[in-house]
Amino acid sequence: NAGVMQNPRHLVRRRGQEARLRCSPMKGHSHVYWYRQLPEEGLKFMVYLQKENIIDESGMPKERFSAEFPKEGPSILRIQQVVRGDSAAYFCASSPLRGEKLFFGSGTQLSVL
Amino acid sequence: KQEVTQIPAALSVPEGENLVLNCSFTDSAIYNLQWFRQDPGKGLTSLLLIQSSQREQTSGRLNASLDKSSGRSTLYIAASQPGDSATYLCAVRRGETSGSRLTFGEGTQLTVNP
Repeated sequence: NAGVMQNPRHLVRRRGQEARLRCSPMKGHSHVYWYRQLPEEGLKFMVYLQKENIIDESGMPKERFSAEFPKEGPSILRIQQVVRGDSAAYFCASSPLRGEKLFFGSGTQLSVL
Repeated sequence: KQEVTQIPAALSVPEGENLVLNCSFTDSAIYNLQWFRQDPGKGLTSLLLIQSSQREQTSGRLNASLDKSSGRSTLYIAASQPGDSATYLCAVRRGETSGSRLTFGEGTQLTVNP
């Protein structure tokens, strides 16, 4: 049973470009969470999704950031018109049920030049 | 607003020592608490999860305790090894029905010297 898969591992973008981060949850998990870890800071919650539904996006910046978890395929975290302050490690986690233990992927390191 | 604090921020010990990492949280109304380890450039590995109704959990050389009323948890590592070197993160979940977000502490960076 493969773990939570994130790709790419590293993503380099220039200011103003779009970044797409993908997350495939563990098999059988229907709950996906995205967290961001800024340099020298702890992990901060961004968004919680179930298949085709955003349950809690209270941690998402109001502009430029969006997330989806379609019926088929991975969850996508999309950042439009990236700025240097978006440079961070973005982690995805999944769980089989709400409130259960979270399993994390290895993260995507986004660098904005 | 829940705040999670971990002390110390960094710890360096010789191999074989027993050690304790501390975690405190401001809002005692939690659903569960989870300890993770994070290796440089890698994701998080779940170590132990304690439900709010539990007092402790054990896995191998690791033992985590929870005192919900005082807002504290400890992670005890017995007979530490160089392979235990990593950052240890504590995270609390607010509630099963009121949201599923985890609030993380900033971690304790542990170095075990051979």
